[in-house]
Amino acid sequence: NFMLTQPHSVSESPGKTVTISCTRSSGSIASNYVQWYQQRPGSAPTTVIYEDNQRPSGVPDRFSGSIDSSSNSASLTISGLKTEDEADYYCQSYDSSWVFGGGTKLTVL
Amino acid sequence: EVQLVQSGAEVKKPGESLKISCKGSGYSFTSYWIGWVRQMPGKGLEWMGIIYPGDSDTRYSPSFQGQVTISADKSISTAYLQWSSLKASDTAMYYCARHRDYDLAPDYWGQGTLVTVSS
Repeated sequence: NFMLTQPHSVSESPGKTVTISCTRSSGSIASNYVQWYQQRPGSAPTTVIYEDNQRPSGVPDRFSGSIDSSSNSASLTISGLKTEDEADYYCQSYDSSWVFGGGTKLTVL
Repeated sequence: EVQLVQSGAEVKKPGESLKISCKGSGYSFTSYWIGWVRQMPGKGLEWMGIIYPGDSDTRYSPSFQGQVTISADKSISTAYLQWSSLKASDTAMYYCARHRDYDLAPDYWGQGTLVTVSS
């Protein structure tokens, strides 16, 4: 199976834009949908992006997802950062089994 | 309103058995898959397996095959995750999540069940 690699942590200031990457180790990133989950401390995960770039209802349009076949990676971009966006973010994809990235801790300071 | 409500925290000893639950409401329980995810203390998310309550079609992650059993009772809209002999390394938070299909993203998550295994 494949692995999804994320940066361990990223930080940015309120109001700015941050991008979190998720690189697939083998096989094409475009072969299977990528999802992104937000997990605030002490809470269950919630889905912020599904099927590469779709936002569930209730997720603000400050959150967007994309894939880049040239780098075989997916990205989660959060614009207009708010302190409430501080959380762990996980990417996930499926290829006969679900695979999660290791997670990225976003600090908004 | 769609809800997945999980059973409460458990404290068990190594070697004991355990079955935790995830009750779905606000939707047709037999028309969606229920997946299970493990999160060990301070660690990331790991997918364990998934079940379709409509016909009990169950798929396991290779990492968890043989280690746990996933089941469902559609008469009470509840999915289960069970262990026959717990180990200290099973200490973790366990989440259930609803999927539209086994290869599509979950759209609703349970609140989690903390399992602590300690002698």
